Amino acid sequence: KAGVTQTPRYLIKTRGQQVTLSCSPISGHRSVSWYQQTPGQGLQFLFEYFSETQRNKGNFPGRFSGRQFSNSRSEMNVSTLELGDSALYLCASSLVGSNYEQYFGPGTRLTVT
Amino acid sequence: ILNVEQSPQSLHVQEGDSTNFTCSFPSSNFYALHWYRWETAKSPEALFVMTLNGDEKKKGRISATLNTKEGYSYLYIKGSQPEDSATYLCASLDQTGANNLFFGTGTRLTVIP
Repeated sequence: KAGVTQTPRYLIKTRGQQVTLSCSPISGHRSVSWYQQTPGQGLQFLFEYFSETQRNKGNFPGRFSGRQFSNSRSEMNVSTLELGDSALYLCASSLVGSNYEQYFGPGTRLTVT
Repeated sequence: ILNVEQSPQSLHVQEGDSTNFTCSFPSSNFYALHWYRWETAKSPEALFVMTLNGDEKKKGRISATLNTKEGYSYLYIKGSQPEDSATYLCASLDQTGANNLFFGTGTRLTVIP
């Protein structure tokens, strides 16, 4: 079965702009989590969506938001981009939630200039 | 926020050597411990999800143990092969009801042929 897909794979944006990233989970998976990885940092949890509801949110400013659609696809939005938002953004899907193994997508590499 | 630590940060071993790494996590309110392998240019891949004290899991030449009372997990690789070269991540989940995985920064393993 198809894996987790993320689009776009690479993105270059300017400070102050906003960006939307997309994640399509494995068919049948209802939980989608988003993570940010910056150089020297481990994966930082952004938020988790389950059945179109945000169940958990990490310690990120309100500029980071997301949503999940009825087909479990999820989008993540970052408004008013800052240089520090340059990172690899990974999404992961699982059957139920984070206590089950996560299946990761290839990531979106965002560069803010 | 859970403080998950991994050691060593990086490791070089000769092909055929056995090796192990450590993941330390807060033992209070423990719920689950995940191990992932992340090869360069690929997505993180789940190895194990462990929940019970004393759990031992094995997948081929890779195995893991869990001690929830003292807050550590070991990952062992027997007879390392060049294809084992990757970053190995652990992540912990607690019982607060938040479904967040807290990741360590990983152990980068290089197996020298």
